[in-house]
Amino acid sequence: DQQVKQNSPSLSVQEGRISILNCDYTNSMFDYFLWYKKYPAEGPTFLISISSIKDKNEDGRFTVFLNKSAKHLSLHIVPSQPGDSAVYFCAASKDSNYQLIWGAGTKLIIKP
Amino acid sequence: DTAVSQTPKYLVTQMGNDKSIKCEQNLGHDTMYWYKQDSKKFLKIMFSYNNKELIINETVPNRFSPKSPDKAHLNLHINSLELGDSAVYFCASSPDGPNSRNEQFFGPGTRLTVL
Repeated sequence: DQQVKQNSPSLSVQEGRISILNCDYTNSMFDYFLWYKKYPAEGPTFLISISSIKDKNEDGRFTVFLNKSAKHLSLHIVPSQPGDSAVYFCAASKDSNYQLIWGAGTKLIIKP
Repeated sequence: DTAVSQTPKYLVTQMGNDKSIKCEQNLGHDTMYWYKQDSKKFLKIMFSYNNKELIINETVPNRFSPKSPDKAHLNLHINSLELGDSAVYFCASSPDGPNSRNEQFFGPGTRLTVL
């Protein structure tokens, strides 16, 4: 049962443009969402998070938007840089159980 | 200075063998985790320890046994390895208990291949 879905296995974006990575979830009890970035042969590293009481959180070039009614969140990276090429994982947790439920990841490729 | 380290990085072994993967964190965190990344790339929690005490034990075969000699180490021992155990195993740690929203710090992963 896939509670967190990242439907795009990969995404290719021109350097300098905006990258938009999407994530959908099915469990309305999720109230905290995180994005992690993963380079090959390394573990995931935390990027940015958002609580369900907010609809936007920004950190430098990275902004996460949350649409609770649509059960959808997105990560915007602007401007995209070559070093942003990585796999991006969306993860969610709910108040009663802070375990992270992960999506399958989206591979972002930034073209020079 | 590696924050969360795992050894070995690669492990190739025959079915039926017993193997261990070691994990150490030098961040002073209280909680450590083991995840399995399957062939579909999903990360699934296997175990969580807080201060050497088992907190989370997901539906994992009892062939998998975590051991935490101290709060900086969480080793994973696997008995009677099966083909389906082939995966990448990640260790992680976080500063507070599992009932915390703090970010988790991951090791580089151990790619286990069972032949």
